[in-house]
Amino acid sequence: NFILTQPHSVSESPGKTVTISCTRSSGSIASNYVQWYQQRPGSSPTTVIYEDNQRPSGVPDRFSGSIDSSSNSASLTISGLKTEDEADYYCQSYDSSNQVFGGGTKLTVL
Amino acid sequence: EVQLMESGGVVVQPGGSLRLSCAASGFTFHDYTMHWVRQIPGKGLEWVSLITRDGSRTYYADSVKGRFTISRDNSKNSLYLQMNSLRTEDTALYYCARDKSSGSYHLDYWGQGALVTVSS
Repeated sequence: NFILTQPHSVSESPGKTVTISCTRSSGSIASNYVQWYQQRPGSSPTTVIYEDNQRPSGVPDRFSGSIDSSSNSASLTISGLKTEDEADYYCQSYDSSNQVFGGGTKLTVL
Repeated sequence: EVQLMESGGVVVQPGGSLRLSCAASGFTFHDYTMHWVRQIPGKGLEWVSLITRDGSRTYYADSVKGRFTISRDNSKNSLYLQMNSLRTEDTALYYCARDKSSGSYHLDYWGQGALVTVSS
C-alpha cells in the first residue's frame, strides 16, 4: 500500500492562484489516475478533477490538474481564487483495487 | 438525475452489528461498480470497500477486512454494507459512491452519508 501526502492547509487571497500538492509515497504517480475532490462544510465530496487533468462539466476552467513524475506528485491548481473555493480538497488514487485518499487540504481564501 | 441515498445509520455498542443500505436511482445501477467511503467527523476520507457491477468481486480496506461485507442487489438497485464486530474507531459518516467505471476509479456521484456511532 502507499500513502498520498497533502499539505494540511493553504491560504491565499481572492484573485490569486494556489497549488495543492499530493505526493505518492511508493509506486509511480503516473501509473494510476489521480482524482481531486472538493468538500464544502456539511456537504458530500464532488469532483473537480478526474483522470489527472480532466474537468467534469460544470467545473470552471480555473481548476486544473497535473502530474509531475520527477517529484512523484500530482497538483491541483486553482486560479482567480473566489471565496466560494474555500473548502477541503482531497486527492485520490489507487493501486490494483486498493483505493487511497490523501489526508486533505483545507483551502482558506481570505 | 443520479441519486444515492444511504440509510441504516444508528448508535450501536462496541462488538455489535449493523447493515447500511444505499438506494440508487437515476441511472442503470447494474452498469456501475460501487464503493463505500467513510469520514470521521472533522477528519479525512477513508475508502472502505468496492463491489464490481455483477457483485462477483469485492475489495476491502485492511482496517475493515474480515469484519465488513459489501453486497448489492441489482434487482432492487441497492448497495449494502454489513458491519460486524464494530469498534469505536468505526464511528464515521458512511458514504456510498458510484464509480464512473471508466477504469480510473473516479467516484463521480456520492450520497449524503449515513452516520454510524459506535459507543457504549
